[in-house]
Amino acid sequence: DAGVIQSPRHEVTEMGQEVTLRCKPISGHNSLFWYRQTMMRGLELLIYFNNNVPIDDSGMPEDRFSAKMPNASFSTLKIQPSEPRDSAVYFCASRTDRGHTNEKLFFGSGTQLSVL
Amino acid sequence: AQSVAQPEDQVNVAEGNPLTVKCTYSVSGNPYLFWYVQYPNRGLQFLLKYITGDNLVKGSYGFEAEFNKSQTSFHLKKPSALVSDSALYFCAVITGGSYIPTFGRGTSLIVHP
Repeated sequence: DAGVIQSPRHEVTEMGQEVTLRCKPISGHNSLFWYRQTMMRGLELLIYFNNNVPIDDSGMPEDRFSAKMPNASFSTLKIQPSEPRDSAVYFCASRTDRGHTNEKLFFGSGTQLSVL
Repeated sequence: AQSVAQPEDQVNVAEGNPLTVKCTYSVSGNPYLFWYVQYPNRGLQFLLKYITGDNLVKGSYGFEAEFNKSQTSFHLKKPSALVSDSALYFCAVITGGSYIPTFGRGTSLIVHP
């Protein structure tokens, strides 16, 4: 299994531009998480999907952030317009939920986003 | 509600010495506890978990963790540290009534040659 795949690996953009981050979860996993990691705030949950449906988006910072999961094998996180304070590493993680939630998460390698 | 505390931002240990990375938790109900490790420029990787049963859990790379219900702790341990163990370690907790794990802020482990 290739694991959770994220693209791009690095993204450098200018303030005001639209940024789209992509994630392919592990096949068969029905839960997907987007996290943001910074030195100041550590690992923050942005949004959680279960069976392609957004269940908890309370961590999404503001309306500039949006996430979609059109099918079980693909998710996007979009920032429009981007700002320098959005600079961080964004991780996608997936998990299989089979009636219980004590399974481990599998993380992608992350997208390093720099907004200039 | 569920929360996790990792009281140390950084732990320094000499190679060959035992290491401990601390984690305490707060939950309503029975906890499921996890340790993850993050190497530079990589995502988090699962190390071990406690669900039920034996309080001492063994995981990858020689790590183990002890669940202590009375102290609400789940400290990560290794008898003999390696330089290659240097990384960022995260403790996480989830309860049966939640779908979302709560992560600690992470502890940077530095093993000196």
